[in-house]
This record gives sequence, structure tokens and C-alpha cells, in this order.
Amino acid sequence: AQSVTQPDIHITVSEGASLELRCNYSYGATPYLFWYVQSPGQGLQLLLKYFSGDTLVQGIKGFEAEFKRSQSSFNLRKPSVHWSDAAEYFCAVGTIYSGGGADGLTFGKGTHLIIQP
Amino acid sequence: DGGITQSPKYLFRKEGQNVTLSCEQNLNHDAMYWYRQDPGQGLRLIYYSQIVNDFQKGDIAEGYSVSREKKESFPLTVTSAQKNPTAFYLCASSIQGTGGAYSGELFFGEGSRLTVL
Repeated sequence: AQSVTQPDIHITVSEGASLELRCNYSYGATPYLFWYVQSPGQGLQLLLKYFSGDTLVQGIKGFEAEFKRSQSSFNLRKPSVHWSDAAEYFCAVGTIYSGGGADGLTFGKGTHLIIQP
Repeated sequence: DGGITQSPKYLFRKEGQNVTLSCEQNLNHDAMYWYRQDPGQGLRLIYYSQIVNDFQKGDIAEGYSVSREKKESFPLTVTSAQKNPTAFYLCASSIQGTGGAYSGELFFGEGSRLTVL
């Protein structure tokens, strides 16, 4: 069964500093990987996704993530955070079957990002 | 604008009562999903449906029921058998199919918060 681990429950970063959120996955084949962001009391918004090809993917709001197969990781990065980046971040892995169907995504438990002024 | 609408946003229930959460999408997506979110637990899959009149149990289906009579609608009933129903519930949808049409990405509604009194 696939699983996702986000080792950091909370991370505090100063505004303007760089950010890296960690994500490790467990899956037998090449996974479909996602990062989502959630503001309090809201739904989830997709930041970026990886299926194949270039292992460095760019997303919205200046975020990027790098897929490292050897480390089973898909860490999210941003060179300079803004106060508006404070939110909950979720890493997720998915399975695509040969017939094109899927049974949803498996999510990590999330990392709560706090921005210090 | 296309999207997913969940209602109500807030719901209070007495113990022993069944409640139904609504989820409607106008994205013309084939697949729909229900997730439950608890603090520090991430998102856990309750039920999903890849096609009208068909649905499958997710990881935590006990105490819940669903129907999929129309492509755009996927209501979730939280029954009195659910021992700890207080949570934030998220509905999502995705494209199904082979080739480039399928991305695995889930599109989320704004969520419904259920509180049992």
C-alpha cells in the first residue's frame, strides 16, 4: 500500500527566508506526486504535481519541488516566503491504473507553516 | 465558473441522528471522492465513485453511506453508527480516462464542518 510521510508537523520561517518542506513516499512503481495548500477552514488548492520527465517541477505562487527516486522524496521549496504563505501543506501520492481509473490520493498528515515577521 | 459546491458549510447534529452532506460539481468530472480531515491526521478517504451508480469504500467507510445517481452529485450520509463524526469533510472530483486527459489531480470543494453536540 502506498503511504506518505511528512516528518515536520510544524515549521517556523522568517519572512523572506527560504523554505523546504519534506515529503517521503512509499510506493512500488513510479508515483504521481502532488503538493496541496490549505488555508484555515478552506478546501485544498493544488500547488504542483509530478508525473514523469523533468524531476524539478514548478508550481504556482513561486513554489517548486524536486522528485528524487533514490530517496523516495518530493520536497517542496520556495526561495523567499511571504506572510501569505502561512498555511497547511499536504503532500500526496496517487496511483493511475492502466485503464485510466484511479482511487483517489493518499495524503500525508500535513505540515503547518508559520511565518515570523 | 466551474467548481465544486459543498453544503452546508457548518452543521450541528445531535447524537443518534443521521445527517447528509451535499456535494455538487459542474466540472463534468467522472470521479468524485469524500475525505475526512481531523487535526494532525491529514485527509482520509471515506468513499469514492468513478462512474454513476457505482462507488467503492475507502479506508474509513464504516458509519458512512453514499449514492451516485447523477454525475454531478455525490452526497455523503453520516449515520448514527459513526462513533466519532465531528470532523471537517471534503469533497473532491477528478477526470478519469487514459492518455493526457487524466492527471490524477483532485479538485476540492470548500468543505463542511460537522459538529456533534
